[in-house]
Amino acid sequence: SYVLTQPPSVSVAPGKTARITCGGDNIGSKSVYWYQQRPGQAPVVVIYYDGDRPSGIPERFSGSKSGNTATLTISRVEAGDEADYYCQVWDSGSEHVVFGGGTKLIVL
Amino acid sequence: QVQLIQSGAEVKKPGASVKVSCKVSGYTLTELSMHWVRQAPGKGLEWMGGFDPENGETIYAQKFQGRVTMTEDTSTDTAYMELSSLRSEDTAVYYCAPVQQWLFAYWGQGTLVTVSS
Repeated sequence: SYVLTQPPSVSVAPGKTARITCGGDNIGSKSVYWYQQRPGQAPVVVIYYDGDRPSGIPERFSGSKSGNTATLTISRVEAGDEADYYCQVWDSGSEHVVFGGGTKLIVL
Repeated sequence: QVQLIQSGAEVKKPGASVKVSCKVSGYTLTELSMHWVRQAPGKGLEWMGGFDPENGETIYAQKFQGRVTMTEDTSTDTAYMELSSLRSEDTAVYYCAPVQQWLFAYWGQGTLVTVSS
């Protein structure tokens, strides 16, 4: 089955740039979605179609892909960005939606 | 704007079944491809299945095949997810979330299902 691999945690100081990776075989051929989840809340999409931002999501959030890795970049990190972040794809081979294991963003 | 209101928390014994509902407003259920995602305490998101708009069928994650049934009542715009043969590992928050181009843009508030003897 298709697997997406994320680091369990990423730590960053306020004002710096956080990069959260999502590795998967041939991920370049799939659309990647990123969700932010704060404790006790439902997930919220922050990036869709690899790099598009929904309205209401700050420009500080961006997405990209290179090789077998997709990356969520958060610039000028704020305390309020501390949350869990998940990547997600649709794997047509298995006909399954696949989520990465999630990355806890820690703002120091 | 899609609004999704789920049924309340449930406590079930091992071996029992649970049926969670998800009431849609703002759209009709026939306009949506409803899916279900769960999250065990302290764990990540886990896709369970849903309606595949590309082939018009309900698809289930292999892990839940034979144990989960997803249905819809279009007269009340309510989706249901029933999970049977519950075990402690099924303790989780269950979310309904429609997909569009495989993006989960909207989520229900979640329903906590606790499986305990």
